[in-house]
Amino acid sequence: QVVLTQSPSASASLGASVKLTCTLSSGHSSYAIAWHQQQPEKGPRYLMKLNSDGSHSKGDGIPDRFSGSSSGAERYLTISSLQSEDEADYYCQTWGTGIQVFGGGTKLTVL
Amino acid sequence: EVQLVESGGGLVKPGGSLRLSCAASGFTFSSYSINWVRQAPGKGLEWVSSISSTSGHIYYADSVKGRFTISRDNAKNSLYLQMNSLRAEDTAVYYCARGTTVTTGSFDIWGQGTMVTVSS
Repeated sequence: QVVLTQSPSASASLGASVKLTCTLSSGHSSYAIAWHQQQPEKGPRYLMKLNSDGSHSKGDGIPDRFSGSSSGAERYLTISSLQSEDEADYYCQTWGTGIQVFGGGTKLTVL
Repeated sequence: EVQLVESGGGLVKPGGSLRLSCAASGFTFSSYSINWVRQAPGKGLEWVSSISSTSGHIYYADSVKGRFTISRDNAKNSLYLQMNSLRAEDTAVYYCARGTTVTTGSFDIWGQGTMVTVSS
């Protein structure tokens, strides 16, 4: 069964860039994933679907500051020009027949 | 506006039952799979159950299999989750989320959630 691994926390300064990582378990490096943002006390928000070749499709209204990329079993979410409202939990998600899997989430702190 | 709105949460005793609802609007409900996802206090997201667009494919997480039942009424643009034999560990905010295909896919629309508390 596929497992997604995320670092529990990350931090970066206001106006800087940060790259979050989601790692697919062995044997699942071809899987697409999705990235979701959850701001404090809010429901999750879909950011994008990210394919193994790095192509991605963003949700409606997601700023250009959010981008995705891939390398092997790693899936990345890069946020540039960090703003205070980007301080949130970020989850990756993947899916298969009869199953949906979430990573443990990364808590991003904007300094 | 594309929207999912959950309702039906509340406080229930261990062993009790609760039925959650999710009302959809702004899109063709019958063309998408829909899912339930929960989040225990201070924890991450956990997938609970999925139902395909025509209810032909239904799946559950092992943690709820045999206790929870997902269903939908496409005529009413509504999704349901019947939760029986509730346990303390079922305490969570429950979200409905739209799948991007008729059977599965990523989740591109989320509701705001409804809180379920299982406690004596």
